[in-house]
Amino acid sequence: AQSVAQPEDQVNVAEGNPLTVKCTYSVSGNPYLFWYVQYPNRGLQFLLKYITGDNLVKGSYGFEAEFNKSQTSFHLKKPSALVSDSALYFCAVRDMTSGTYKYIFGTGTRLKVLA
Amino acid sequence: ETGVTQSPTHLIKTRGQQVTLRCSSQSGHNTVSWYQQALGQGPQFIFQYYREEENGRGNFPPRFSGLQFPNYSSELNVNALELDDSALYLCASSLTPSEGYTFGSGTRLTVV
Repeated sequence: AQSVAQPEDQVNVAEGNPLTVKCTYSVSGNPYLFWYVQYPNRGLQFLLKYITGDNLVKGSYGFEAEFNKSQTSFHLKKPSALVSDSALYFCAVRDMTSGTYKYIFGTGTRLKVLA
Repeated sequence: ETGVTQSPTHLIKTRGQQVTLRCSSQSGHNTVSWYQQALGQGPQFIFQYYREEENGRGNFPPRFSGLQFPNYSSELNVNALELDDSALYLCASSLTPSEGYTFGSGTRLTVV
């Protein structure tokens, strides 16, 4: 079964410091991995994805993620956090084994950037 | 903003009632998926429609049903509402099941 895990419910970081939001995955076959962000009372906004290619993926709003096959991880990073980055972040894997190609989401990590 | 519009944005229903949530997809998007996001949880896949036919279903009971229309709109219907159905319901559309999805802003359903 395909799954992702986000081990941290909340991450606190000072503005201007680098941030990391962790995600590990378990899939059969090649992983299709995604990061989404959710602001209060809003839907999901796409940040970035890894399908194949370079292990470092660059996405929206200065975010990037590093795919590590040996550690089965796909951590989200940003060199310098902004207060406006405070939101709920979801890691997801795309189930490519079914005809629906549904997303399987982690439980989310709340990022709080302190001024 | 996202091209996927959901209505209403908020809704309060009583246990045992029925509810219909609506989604208007981007033009040309033949695929629509519905997700349930309970408080403090990640979204859970309910089902998907492709060209007006159900194309897959998650672990949800039959009282969750859907429709997709030729004009790229769709509905999620929930019968016999239970308190645990309180959640944010997200609609996501794409050109085909394997293409990237665009999510709507969701409908917040509260069952009392």
